[in-house]
Amino acid sequence: DQQVKQNSPSLSVQEGRISILNCDYTNSMFDYFLWYKKYPAEGPTFLISISSIKDKNEDGRFTVFLNKSAKHLSLHIVPSQPGDSAVYFCAASVQGAQKLVFGQGTRLTINP
Amino acid sequence: GAGVSQSPRYKVAKRGQDVALRCDPISGHVSLFWYQQALGQGPEFLTYFQNEAQLDKSGLPSDRFFAERPEGSVSTLKIQRTQQEDSAVYLCASSFQGVTNSPLHFGNGTRLTVT
Repeated sequence: DQQVKQNSPSLSVQEGRISILNCDYTNSMFDYFLWYKKYPAEGPTFLISISSIKDKNEDGRFTVFLNKSAKHLSLHIVPSQPGDSAVYFCAASVQGAQKLVFGQGTRLTINP
Repeated sequence: GAGVSQSPRYKVAKRGQDVALRCDPISGHVSLFWYQQALGQGPEFLTYFQNEAQLDKSGLPSDRFFAERPEGSVSTLKIQRTQQEDSAVYLCASSFQGVTNSPLHFGNGTRLTVT
């Protein structure tokens, strides 16, 4: 039972355009959400997070949107840069539970 | 200022062998996590330590898997009698407080291949 789903295994975007990565979850108890970025042969690195009391969080070129009624979150990257090419993981947790549940990842490729 | 360090980077084991994977967390980080990442999948939670106490081991797939952190710093994940389905990347992560208070810092992982 996949509680966090990233339905797009891959995404290709032109440099300078907006990249939108999507994530759906099924567990209504999740109240904290994160995005991690992973380069080959490296561990995931934290990008941005959002608590369920908010519907948007912005950090530079990265913005995460949360739609609780739809159990959906998205990561917007604008403008996209070649260094953004990586695998992006969405993750979720329940307040007080010290574990993250990850999606399967989306491979983002930024084309020059 | 080093990050989370894991060793070895790669491990090949014959089916039935025991393996031990090491994790050196960031100094001062109280929380330590182990995750298993199969090919093409996201990381899956295995176990969690706060200092030396193992507070959650619900993700360990079988009693062949054992983790310890005896002095609240370095941790070892041990897999006994390895099976082919144990082949995966094993990721260690640490954080200053916990999942919702500070982000996890991951190591580069140990890729285990069981032949």
